[in-house]
Amino acid sequence: QKEVEQDPGPLSVPEGAIVSLNCTYSNSAFQYFMWYRQYSRKGPELLMYTYSSGNKEDGRFTAQVDKSSKYISLFIRDSQPSDSATYLCAMSKGAGNKLTFGGGTRVLVKP
Amino acid sequence: KAGVTQTPRYLIKTRGQQVTLSCSPISGHRSVSWYQQTPGQGLQFLFEYFSETQRNKGNFPGRFSGRQFSNSRSEMNVSTLELGDSALYLCASSPSLFYNEQFFGPGTRLTVL
Repeated sequence: QKEVEQDPGPLSVPEGAIVSLNCTYSNSAFQYFMWYRQYSRKGPELLMYTYSSGNKEDGRFTAQVDKSSKYISLFIRDSQPSDSATYLCAMSKGAGNKLTFGGGTRVLVKP
Repeated sequence: KAGVTQTPRYLIKTRGQQVTLSCSPISGHRSVSWYQQTPGQGLQFLFEYFSETQRNKGNFPGRFSGRQFSNSRSEMNVSTLELGDSALYLCASSPSLFYNEQFFGPGTRLTVL
């Protein structure tokens, strides 16, 4: 079983809908949580970074971390076709920078 | 500020050959990490360098190696290539070891025939 699980999708939504993504993890040592967006044939782009439990909002993006449930979420409001990409969750245990990634969820936003 | 750059962007090699990939981190960033991305295994950590020293290593065979230079640029080498080494190799940089946010380059797509 992988340390970080993520539904591969694809998740198809109409333009303007809320996109809801999540990851579960098994190792309670993870302290830092990130969401990356990856377009086809590109490198991952950092979207959100959170430390420990709580919520963080940045524009249309909201990241939530529930350490007690070992569950993290990313919400994208007012989704656009340009949001169509693969979204990867990543997490680390602290200093040392090794990131453990989920497998990614492919999102399709239809006009 | 320029992002992480990786060269070459695409590479085709045959089994048994070796390959060297290069990464230039964001200016001022001193930590460089390498990842392998494949459809089956996703993104997997290879190794991390800081101040020219390997600080962390993933679960890959010894055929995979790397180094970092005094200007923080990094190279990774894969010897005796196997078909299964075909992947997107990604380099990520961050300002220091104690900074968890990592910024990725576009990757080098390696195809082994």
